[in-house]
Amino acid sequence: NAGVTQTPKFRVLKTGQSMTLLCAQDMNHEYMYWYRQDPGMGLRLIHYSVGEGTTAKGEVPDGYNVSRLKKQNFLLGLESAAPSQTSVYFCASSSPALNYGYTFGSGTRLTVV
Amino acid sequence: AQSVAQPEDQVNVAEGNPLTVKCTYSVSGNPYLFWYVQYPNRGLQFLLKYITGDNLVKGSYGFEAEFNKSQTSFHLKKPSALVSDSALYFCAVRDITTGGFKTIFGAGTRLFVKA
Repeated sequence: NAGVTQTPKFRVLKTGQSMTLLCAQDMNHEYMYWYRQDPGMGLRLIHYSVGEGTTAKGEVPDGYNVSRLKKQNFLLGLESAAPSQTSVYFCASSSPALNYGYTFGSGTRLTVV
Repeated sequence: AQSVAQPEDQVNVAEGNPLTVKCTYSVSGNPYLFWYVQYPNRGLQFLLKYITGDNLVKGSYGFEAEFNKSQTSFHLKKPSALVSDSALYFCAVRDITTGGFKTIFGAGTRLFVKA
């Protein structure tokens, strides 16, 4: 089925380790997003991209980097993981052709110990 | 500033009864409004949207939402709740102040439907 695929689904990191979360969409959507979801905090935008080769900061970008080398992929990197980055991460994509409604991935549950 | 508010953290309703999940918004210009649902351990799923036209919008799983411009509200409704409707519901509005690329999400309302 068409949609947004996130890998991995679960990960445990030690403080200071690095990792990359991968998001892939096969709907040819122009825009892609990374959110984190924490209890009582709702969804917070980390970074987003409005096209291949372009990225922008969201409301909580510190400690994260992103890249969008191909239109269908949006990578989220943690260079030096901290316990405060323990969260559930969601990727989403959207398109003006669909009036900007989002399609979300199933999430990555990350624990930093 | 553009914003969206969900005044209730939790809504409890008995199965078979009508349900309403409230949402109010503050935007400049014409709003693009959305509802999403999140089931346990899942990503958010699109339910419905209002862009223009009829104020009553019908969506997935029997849900509908009523756009009220004068009250700046976009409440989610369902005539008869099911236990399987228990989930976290998010109202959202397209943020046109930053080029329209982003969406602002409410804090979410947890719906409990009791059998």
